[in-house]
Amino acid sequence: SQLAEENLWALSVHEGESVTVNCSYKTSITALQWYRQKSGEGPAQLILIRSNEREKRNGRLRATLDTSSQSSSLSITATRCEDTAVYFCATRNMGYKLTFGTGTSLLVDP
Amino acid sequence: ETAVFQTPNYHVTQVGNEVSFNCKQTLGHDTMYWYKQDSKKLLKIMFSYNNKQLIVNETVPRRFSPQSSDKAHLNLRIKSVEPEDSAVYLCASSYWGALDTQYFGPGTRLLVL
Repeated sequence: SQLAEENLWALSVHEGESVTVNCSYKTSITALQWYRQKSGEGPAQLILIRSNEREKRNGRLRATLDTSSQSSSLSITATRCEDTAVYFCATRNMGYKLTFGTGTSLLVDP
Repeated sequence: ETAVFQTPNYHVTQVGNEVSFNCKQTLGHDTMYWYKQDSKKLLKIMFSYNNKQLIVNETVPRRFSPQSSDKAHLNLRIKSVEPEDSAVYLCASSYWGALDTQYFGPGTRLLVL
């Protein structure tokens, strides 16, 4: 079965800085999604990037996908305190099942 | 308001008791899911229902059972809880389809003493 993994468990940045979270996976996928989970809430999707896409943007967020190296990144520019959360990548294969990575905890200091 | 709602927010119980968690979605989706999130934030899918049919049943212990009355509701029952069941249980919903976004509820935090 596929396993999506974020490459770093925790990151800390100062407000206004940029940050990148990386993710690697082990099997072929149809799409990769980035989710954010704030404390006390459920995960919320940020970006969905299909296997035939290389980059997707959503405001201050930019996701990339490299199917040859089976990796993805999520970059956040001009970080804000409210970006403090756990960030997950989640992969889909041909089925309906979504497999979540282990999560990267991001702390944005004021 | 359209969203995924879960009750209760928290539940504390003792080993061997039975618990039941409720989930309702008002998004008009046809598929609902239950996930377990452990203390390290790892998310594992437990069950999903599509049009009242169980379509995913991961290798969860038999004491867990999903219960659905219609496509907007998917409850989770745990018969005879054990300490390792302490976790956050997250309900989600989506339209059936490989690329559809899953929308999550806020979760039910279970503590088994």
